[in-house]
Amino acid sequence: SQTIHQWPATLVQPVGSPLSLECTVEGTSNPNLYWYRQAAGRGLQLLFYSVGIGQISSEVPQNLSASRPQDRQFILSSKKLLLSDSGFYLCAWSVQGGSGANVLTFGAGSRLTVL
Amino acid sequence: SQQGEEDPQALSIQEGENATMNCSYKTSINNLQWYRQNSGRGLVHLILIRSNEREKHSGRLRVTLDTSKKSSSLLITASRAADTASYFCATSRNSGYALNFGKGTSLLVTP
Repeated sequence: SQTIHQWPATLVQPVGSPLSLECTVEGTSNPNLYWYRQAAGRGLQLLFYSVGIGQISSEVPQNLSASRPQDRQFILSSKKLLLSDSGFYLCAWSVQGGSGANVLTFGAGSRLTVL
Repeated sequence: SQQGEEDPQALSIQEGENATMNCSYKTSINNLQWYRQNSGRGLVHLILIRSNEREKHSGRLRVTLDTSKKSSSLLITASRAADTASYFCATSRNSGYALNFGKGTSLLVTP
């Protein structure tokens, strides 16, 4: 069966420090991969998605970047964190080309607090 | 943006009662999905309804879709305390990979 792992679960970082959140999927090949951010009391904002290794689409210009070095690995990074980067970050995957219905499976999330 | 908008923002009911949440969206869609999020956790897919469907059932869940009004509703029947969570609708365009989520309805079911 497919599983998605996301880490770290919680982190507190100072302003200006770098960030690396990692997500891996097991049990499937060539998935679509996504990074969403959820601010307190708000909906999910799509940050990046990827349909293959090295293929990254950015939905919102910001202080973050994403990379997909391997088929089932998706990394969210920042060189210098801002206070506004605080939030709950969710990784998700979906089946590539699955009958037009893009059902997402989410990881458990990473809560980032920037101080 | 075709982001969905859930209504109400918060809903408090007692066990055994039915809970109804609504979602409105702005542009044409391929399908609409409902997800559930327990506090501090990831989202879990509940049900998907395609643009050519009007109603769908899954256990205690009933979803309706009215494309002429660009709206959907999620009904949870005979609610339980374990149904306490936030519920989000998500829409998908006719092409592309992005799912756009609303801000969610926070449901509290008290024993």
